Amino acid sequence: GAVVSQHPSWVICKSGTSVKIECRSLDFQATTMFWYRQFPKQSLMLMATSNEGSKATYEQGVEKDKFLINHASLTLSTLTVTSAHPEDSSFYICSATEEEPGLAASYEQYFGPGTRLTVT
Amino acid sequence: SQKIEQNSEALNIQEGKTATLTCNYTNYSPAYLQWYRQDPGRGPVFLLLIRENEKEKRKERLKVTFDTTLKQSLFHITASQPADSATYLCALRNTGGFKTIFGAGTRLFVKA
Repeated sequence: GAVVSQHPSWVICKSGTSVKIECRSLDFQATTMFWYRQFPKQSLMLMATSNEGSKATYEQGVEKDKFLINHASLTLSTLTVTSAHPEDSSFYICSATEEEPGLAASYEQYFGPGTRLTVT
Repeated sequence: SQKIEQNSEALNIQEGKTATLTCNYTNYSPAYLQWYRQDPGRGPVFLLLIRENEKEKRKERLKVTFDTTLKQSLFHITASQPADSATYLCALRNTGGFKTIFGAGTRLFVKA
């Protein structure tokens, strides 16, 4: 079945530093990847959607200069949290689909295991 | 604004009983409704998808109903087992299909 991995699974960094999180589709080509953030006991909040080779589309309220997304290939997307602050501490989850969501709304979305970011 | 409501209180049931979780939504006309399972510290795992023109869907011990008039979905786990203990998320997607919105989930505890 379709597998999505994330690395690292957890990271602790100091305030002001940048952290990169990788999301890989292991056995399929991910046309589209999504990045979510989840705070404890809250729902997944979509941060941005990316297609391979093009700029990511950010949701309202998400700073694109702070959360840099690069969908470099059909199997890899990265999220870089720049100048991280304690309020950026959260659980970051990526998901991927082989399809183009705008064409087929019934696309199946495969989620990675998540990355726990703690900024001290 | 679009809103998905799931019971924020945990649901505690005895092994072997049927667990029923509720998902209500407002200001939205989803074409698809999905249920996911999420274990602590893990990403969601897809369980079932039901379309707006479907009333019910089953998969093994799972059953989902979708009432677009009531704007509600019910998720049932029959013959529940302790291994079913997890948080269950309801998610909606519209016809444009570009974005999925998630509820906050309901935590289920199945006692042996």
